[in-house]
Amino acid sequence: DAKTTQPNSMESNEEEPVHLPCNHSTISGTDYIHWYRQLPSQGPEYVIHGLTSNVNNRMVSLAIAEDRKSSTLILHRATLRDAAVYYCILRDEDSNYQLIWGAGTKLIIKP
Amino acid sequence: EPEVTQTPSHQVTQMGQEVILRCVPISNHLYFYWYRQILGQKVEFLVSFYNNEISEKSEIFDDQFSVERPDGSNFTLKIRSTKLEDSAMYFCASSYWAGEAGELFFGEGSRLTVL
Repeated sequence: DAKTTQPNSMESNEEEPVHLPCNHSTISGTDYIHWYRQLPSQGPEYVIHGLTSNVNNRMVSLAIAEDRKSSTLILHRATLRDAAVYYCILRDEDSNYQLIWGAGTKLIIKP
Repeated sequence: EPEVTQTPSHQVTQMGQEVILRCVPISNHLYFYWYRQILGQKVEFLVSFYNNEISEKSEIFDDQFSVERPDGSNFTLKIRSTKLEDSAMYFCASSYWAGEAGELFFGEGSRLTVL
């Protein structure tokens, strides 16, 4: 079973920032936090990953709590093309580093 | 940008028939995976493959399933005798690194419909 919990869905307005939360209270020291997304009728797509420090790329940031029990994926400026299901996944030794998928958060972007 | 390609995009087959789904991973990647997603459900891991052998498989990947990398570029998933419950999207993925920090690249998927 997935070791993360996420809200089932979230709505946001176009061109506004979006904060997608994820809880992973059982995380251990060497577990990486990965985010993938799946646009409608497409394969999953890697978004970002991190271990302890916050991570930034051109489109998103990953903010990791100090105790690492939660994280937040931040879309700096959502567009209609960001409407997707976002998955927060722990890659850990228990699962032999395989991606164990939960239900994710369905992000709805309103124009 | 390099990408994982999958064929066919959609296959319809009769129950009991054999099906082969094909994937061309990114050329310098070393690790290969198959996942499936039944309509409306979660993505599920099937199998991982490295150095020409299965490195891990899930409970779903029973004797009816097999994988092969026949020619160093293609990576195939074979289902010997399809069942109705095999109807799903099948996603191939590849990565250069394994382990906790590796990033997987996914194909667009092959939709299998078993009648």
